[in-house]
Amino acid sequence: DQQVKQNSPSLSVQEGRISILNCDYTNSMFDYFLWYKKYPAEGPTFLISISSIKDKNEDGRFTVFLNKSAKHLSLHIVPSQPGDSAVYFCAASVAGSGTYKYIFGTGTRLKVLA
Amino acid sequence: NAGVTQTPKFRILKIGQSMTLQCTQDMNHNYMYWYRQDPGMGLKLIYYSVGAGITDKGEVPNGYNVSRSTTEDFPLRLELAAPSQTSVYFCASSVNSGGIVEKLFFGSGTQLSVL
Repeated sequence: DQQVKQNSPSLSVQEGRISILNCDYTNSMFDYFLWYKKYPAEGPTFLISISSIKDKNEDGRFTVFLNKSAKHLSLHIVPSQPGDSAVYFCAASVAGSGTYKYIFGTGTRLKVLA
Repeated sequence: NAGVTQTPKFRILKIGQSMTLQCTQDMNHNYMYWYRQDPGMGLKLIYYSVGAGITDKGEVPNGYNVSRSTTEDFPLRLELAAPSQTSVYFCASSVNSGGIVEKLFFGSGTQLSVL
């Protein structure tokens, strides 16, 4: 049972436009979420996080939105740049559980076209 | 600062062979994790540890063993390699900040093929 889902395997966006990557989860206990970027042959690198006490978090060109009632989060990249081309993973955790495990989605491959 | 270091980067095993994937971190993080990434399947948690001497199973622990004798090292052992264990393996570490693990730091991965 996939508790964290990224239903779009791939996304292509023109340089300078907005990229929107989506993530859905099924476990209502999840209360802390991460986004990671991964280039080929490298490990994932942290992008941005959000706690369930917030509905938005910004860091430069990256903004994450959380809709708890819909169990949905999204990552917005504005403006998109060719260097943003990578696979993006969302991850979720039950922060207060004491286990500190993160469950990852299947990833979305973003291609930013110059 | 080296961060999380994994060795080897690549390995080919025959069915039934055993091996240990090494992972070490120099950030004094108390939490460490092993994930595997299969094509189109995202990252699946194999085992994790919240401190030296403490380990626990993740989503896909079968066929693997771990130990955590020091804060720095978290090796992953494959006893009887099977083709289903062909994957890219990532080690990660993190720290508990105010009761929350805010992010994981990943190594560069080990690509393992079992033939």
